[in-house]
Amino acid sequence: EIVLTQSPGTLSLSPGEGATLTCRASQTVSSSYLAWFQLRPGQAPRLLIFGASTRATGVPDRFSGSGSGTDFTLTINRLEPEDFAVYYCQQYASSLRTFGQGSRVEI
Amino acid sequence: QVHLQESGPGLVKPSGTLSLTCAVSGDSISGPNRWNWVRQSPGKGLEWIGEIFHTGITSYNPSLDSRVTISVDRSKNQFSLNLNSVTAADTAVYYCARANYDVWSGPLDYWGQGTLVTVSS
Repeated sequence: EIVLTQSPGTLSLSPGEGATLTCRASQTVSSSYLAWFQLRPGQAPRLLIFGASTRATGVPDRFSGSGSGTDFTLTINRLEPEDFAVYYCQQYASSLRTFGQGSRVEI
Repeated sequence: QVHLQESGPGLVKPSGTLSLTCAVSGDSISGPNRWNWVRQSPGKGLEWIGEIFHTGITSYNPSLDSRVTISVDRSKNQFSLNLNSVTAADTAVYYCARANYDVWSGPLDYWGQGTLVTVSS
């Protein structure tokens, strides 16, 4: 099982600031099969990034993903009010998909 | 536009069986994509439950493997989750989701809104 560890657990920021979230895997995530999701209360998870760095359809370009191997990053530039949420990374390289524990971005 | 909608009882008794269905529209369940279940327990993170391909091939989270069954009904374009011997620890919002293998390599790109299932007597 590939264990994903996200940091920080909580990030306290203001609108307009930038956020950097990290996701570290316990073993190499092959072919960068790493995705990032946004989860807001009462809403379905939203796919933001897949393949470590490709933005999903309709995702604003203030969201960007990077990384390979075991270390991955989600960067959010110029936080908008709707960006305050919980973010999860997930690997889909193995038949057992796993999520990180989540990082909360709060005002 | 692809749409997924979960349905099923919102309350299940301990030791009973949790049964949910996910109706898919805007995509054929018989295509190249795979169909997943994910849950989020109160105050906790997302947990992957398992997935199915339309041929019936499944993959499950080992932590639930002995209790979970995912099945597909191609005639109704839907798939289902059964989780038996439930306890309070199975109380969660359950989501169904599509893994896109048509264009990409498997990210969960469309999700249902989720349905809360409470295990209680």
